[in-house]
Amino acid sequence: GDSVTQMEGPVTLSEEAFLTINCTYTATGYPSLFWYVQYPGEGLQLLLKATKADDKGSNKGFEATYRKETTSFHLEKGSVQVSDSAVYFCALSDESSYKLIFGSGTRLLVRP
Amino acid sequence: NAGVTQTPKFQVLKTGQSMTLQCAQDMNHEYMSWYRQDPGMGLRLIHYSVGAGITDQGEVPNGYNVSRSTTEDFPLRLLSAAPSQTSVYFCASSYTGLAQETQYFGPGTRLLVL
Repeated sequence: GDSVTQMEGPVTLSEEAFLTINCTYTATGYPSLFWYVQYPGEGLQLLLKATKADDKGSNKGFEATYRKETTSFHLEKGSVQVSDSAVYFCALSDESSYKLIFGSGTRLLVRP
Repeated sequence: NAGVTQTPKFQVLKTGQSMTLQCAQDMNHEYMSWYRQDPGMGLRLIHYSVGAGITDQGEVPNGYNVSRSTTEDFPLRLLSAAPSQTSVYFCASSYTGLAQETQYFGPGTRLLVL
């Protein structure tokens, strides 16, 4: 079945460092790919998404490119801030179902 | 526009007790769903609904019941709580549930079963 694998955390960075969180997926069809973010004590909210191969999603300085050839959707940000500290979830939604499948989440801690 | 709301925020149950977790949305979304979040496992789909009167099982449905009598509400029922149901529960909604749509999540209900 469909699945999402993302790097284990926690990831600890200093402010203004470069961020990469790896995400790879397995899917039989042509899924849409998402990054959701969960700030402490809150629910999840969409960070960015891409619905077809080679699309780049971007928001708040974060970017991710839908790479079908490597089945990846890695999240990047050039300069992280303390306020980016959160848990980041990679997810996919297959076109043939109503289900959103999540990775296990990666906790990011940014130190001043 | 309140978005997706969930009550209660926190609940403690004893094994065997029953309870209903409430979820409501005011965005006129047809699709609603319930997830549980456990450490190291991400979010797993419990049940979902594509419209009033229509529900279906997700990945981990055992021990949970749902019904959808209105577009706005999608309660989750635990008939006989077990310690394995200790988790954080999130309700989510979207317009139709199609693959490319954004899901909107509630703030969560933290449940502890003793």
